[in-house]
Amino acid sequence: DAKTTQPNSMESNEEEPVHLPCNHSTISGTDYIHWYRQLPSQGPEYVIHGLTSNVNNRMASLAIAEDRKSSTLILHRATLRDAAVYYCILSNAGNNRKLIWGLGTSLAVNP
Amino acid sequence: DTAVSQTPKYLVTQMGNDKSIKCEQNLGHDTMYWYKQDSKKFLKIMFSYNNKELIINETVPNRFSPKSPDKAHLNLHINSLELGDSAVYFCASSQSGSTDTQYFGPGTRLTVL
Repeated sequence: DAKTTQPNSMESNEEEPVHLPCNHSTISGTDYIHWYRQLPSQGPEYVIHGLTSNVNNRMASLAIAEDRKSSTLILHRATLRDAAVYYCILSNAGNNRKLIWGLGTSLAVNP
Repeated sequence: DTAVSQTPKYLVTQMGNDKSIKCEQNLGHDTMYWYKQDSKKFLKIMFSYNNKELIINETVPNRFSPKSPDKAHLNLHINSLELGDSAVYFCASSQSGSTDTQYFGPGTRLTVL
């Protein structure tokens, strides 16, 4: 199973952009890159996913390196509600799209 | 309108008891999952069902038995509960053939005394 590496924790100030990095050097050509987040005492929540091209949605943007060995989740203007653990995960159709979860990055947002 | 719901939200029980956790999704998805999140916050998949058929069965003690009466429900029955079973259990669902984005329930916090 392809693994991802993320910093244990990051800190940001409210209304500033946040760039959350993820390394996945063993990614295969058919692996999707998913980002989920888990707010305190809640279930994980889907944020965004991509394969090769950069992606934008109402929650965030996903920037994928050209060699796909790393990606960055971008929160354009952090709010207090964005304080959560952010997980970068790879999934592959050949593995029943099983998601292998790491410990993620715990994001603190300062007012 | 709750997409993925679980009951109960909290479950406190004694060692050796048998308990069940129920999960229902109203998203029309064909795949459902059970995850366990331990005290170190690792989220580990336990089971996955697609159209009521078991497709993922990780190394889980056979005291844990999932049951899927229909595509919208996946229940988890646990026999002879042990202290190490204490954790938060999450149910999730997804639609196969698409991006397989998973939608999670709020979790069931199980405490075994």
